[in-house]
Amino acid sequence: GESVGLHLPTLSVQEGDNSIINCAYSNSASDYFIWYKQESGKGPQFIIDIRSNMDKRQGQRVTVLLNKTVKHLSLQIAATQPGDSAVYFCAETTSGSARQLTFGSGTQLTVLP
Amino acid sequence: EAQVTQNPRYLITVTGKKLTVTCSQNMNHEYMSWYRQDPGLGLRQIYYSMNVEVTDKGDVPEGYKVSRKEKRNFPLILESPSPNQTSLYFCASSLRGYQETQYFGPGTRLLVL
Repeated sequence: GESVGLHLPTLSVQEGDNSIINCAYSNSASDYFIWYKQESGKGPQFIIDIRSNMDKRQGQRVTVLLNKTVKHLSLQIAATQPGDSAVYFCAETTSGSARQLTFGSGTQLTVLP
Repeated sequence: EAQVTQNPRYLITVTGKKLTVTCSQNMNHEYMSWYRQDPGLGLRQIYYSMNVEVTDKGDVPEGYKVSRKEKRNFPLILESPSPNQTSLYFCASSLRGYQETQYFGPGTRLLVL
């Protein structure tokens, strides 16, 4: 069946290092992808999105890479800070369809001092 | 301050006792949605609304009802709660649809005994 999943459920990085969080999706019709950050006790917060006509998109300290060939996207966080500790979700959907967002189960990022 | 609010934040109830979780947004958004979040399953959509008086089922609508009589409010109704509805619930809104940035509320943690 259709699924959006993450390769690693947990990720620990040293403060100042770069973090890479991965996400695989199975629906070849998916063309819009979003990364969310969820801090403990809070609702998800939009980080960055990307459409399938792009391979890369950059924000402030974050970069999303999309590889449509292998149905994989990643979130890169530069110079990871303690405030980046959270659960990160990817979500995907298909433009122009009634299908709503499908969320992955999340990766817990822990930033070590 | 632009925000999505939910009430109550925490609720303990018993099987069969009807309850309503309120959701309100002050951003004049057309699109509103309810999700439940369970460990290992990520966010799953319950119901969504494209505008006033327009609602539709998400992935897990069984046991839930919604209404959208006003643009700002989107209450979630559990007519006869059961223990399998114990979960963390999030309301979200966006300007026009799921392909735009969704703003999430702080969540409502529900325990059904």
